[in-house]
Amino acid sequence: GEDVEQSLFLSVREGDSSVINCTYTDSSSTYLYWYKQEPGAGLQLLTYIFSNMDMKQDQRLTVLLNKKDKHLSLRIADTQTGDSAIYFCAESPTGNTPLVFGKGTRLSVIA
Amino acid sequence: EPEVTQTPSHQVTQMGQEVILRCVPISNHLYFYWYRQILGQKVEFLVSFYNNEISEKSEIFDDQFSVERPDGSNFTLKIRSTKLEDSAMYFCASSEQRAGELFFGEGSRLTVL
Repeated sequence: GEDVEQSLFLSVREGDSSVINCTYTDSSSTYLYWYKQEPGAGLQLLTYIFSNMDMKQDQRLTVLLNKKDKHLSLRIADTQTGDSAIYFCAESPTGNTPLVFGKGTRLSVIA
Repeated sequence: EPEVTQTPSHQVTQMGQEVILRCVPISNHLYFYWYRQILGQKVEFLVSFYNNEISEKSEIFDDQFSVERPDGSNFTLKIRSTKLEDSAMYFCASSEQRAGELFFGEGSRLTVL
């Protein structure tokens, strides 16, 4: 079945760039998402990318997609303490089928 | 900003008891979902609901689970006879369109003893 894998923890210093990586197995994945979960809050959609794109940039966020390796990454430039959260990678073959999530990467930003 | 709200935030129950988790989706949304996350595991899809009926469900969503939209604003998940392995964070979500952005609630943590 479909699977999404992420590393569980990442620690960076304030001001550095963070790169959170994700791999997926479903070759038909068309929509790939990054969600953010702050403590005590729900899952918030950060950004998404379609499989016909290689890169998407949105302010401090850059998403890179390597379809050949089925690898997705989220880069956060100039990481701030407010970026400390759990980041979930998710995929969907059609965009309207249930999302398949990874376990989430806990990002800790050290001041 | 409109948001999805869930109650209770945390519920502790004895094995075998019935539990109802409540959600108030965003008012103009038409599609509703339940996901769950067992501690340390992945967020898993349970069920989607549209037009007062289940549109899709996972194999996790067995006969012990049911969903209902009793009054046009609430969307509930009922677990008929809880098991230890039902302990998890349950997330409700809603979307305006079928392929639209999902808005998640803060989650209800269920602990089954």
